[in-house]
Amino acid sequence: DTAVSQTPKYLVTQMGNDKSIKCEQNLGHDTMYWYKQDSKKFLKIMFSYNNKELIINETVPNRFSPKSPDKAHLNLHINSLELGDSAVYFCASSQDGGLGETQYFGPGTRLLVL
Amino acid sequence: DAKTTQPTSMDCAEGRAANLPCNHSTISGNEYVYWYRQIHSQGPQYIIHGLKNNETNEMASLIITEDRKSSTLILPHATLRDTAVYYCIVRGNQGGKLIFGQGTELSVKP
Repeated sequence: DTAVSQTPKYLVTQMGNDKSIKCEQNLGHDTMYWYKQDSKKFLKIMFSYNNKELIINETVPNRFSPKSPDKAHLNLHINSLELGDSAVYFCASSQDGGLGETQYFGPGTRLLVL
Repeated sequence: DAKTTQPTSMDCAEGRAANLPCNHSTISGNEYVYWYRQIHSQGPQYIIHGLKNNETNEMASLIITEDRKSSTLILPHATLRDTAVYYCIVRGNQGGKLIFGQGTELSVKP
């Protein structure tokens, strides 16, 4: 069983569209994250949620709205997509976001905005 | 979180030990040293982490200097599948986020 899964794996869409990426973890973790990896390969945190509550929001445009229906899921909705949103988006989870614990990453969603 | 410095790239012969250095001179007392790697197009993979003692698991060993200002990740018998970007991350208690630098691109050659 995949510990952290994301759908879709690839997403190609037009500028201005609204799209969602889904993430699920079956590890029983309380904390989930979204990271963005741009074309220069830098990985950067976007959001983290602990038990469905927002903990970190790293000055991400408000076109990005994470939603956590339960602690096993953290979905990312993006409104009015722009060319610069093209990137690979990784979901991750950890036990409770505390010191000394491990984050487990999903396989990534490759978003291309045309 | 403290900043880390790693060489941009390294080569290693297959079957030999790969020693990847990392400097973190501004690390503070409660910050952990983590190592992750990213094999092409995949999600980052956890390797190992430590606070001040050396650590070993089935993947690698982590050697942290006594002053904690630097560390070395050791892959004891590198294989071609270990070719990846290796990230050294110093992590404090800021909501759990990992701050990735540019990492070291390790190429394992036959």
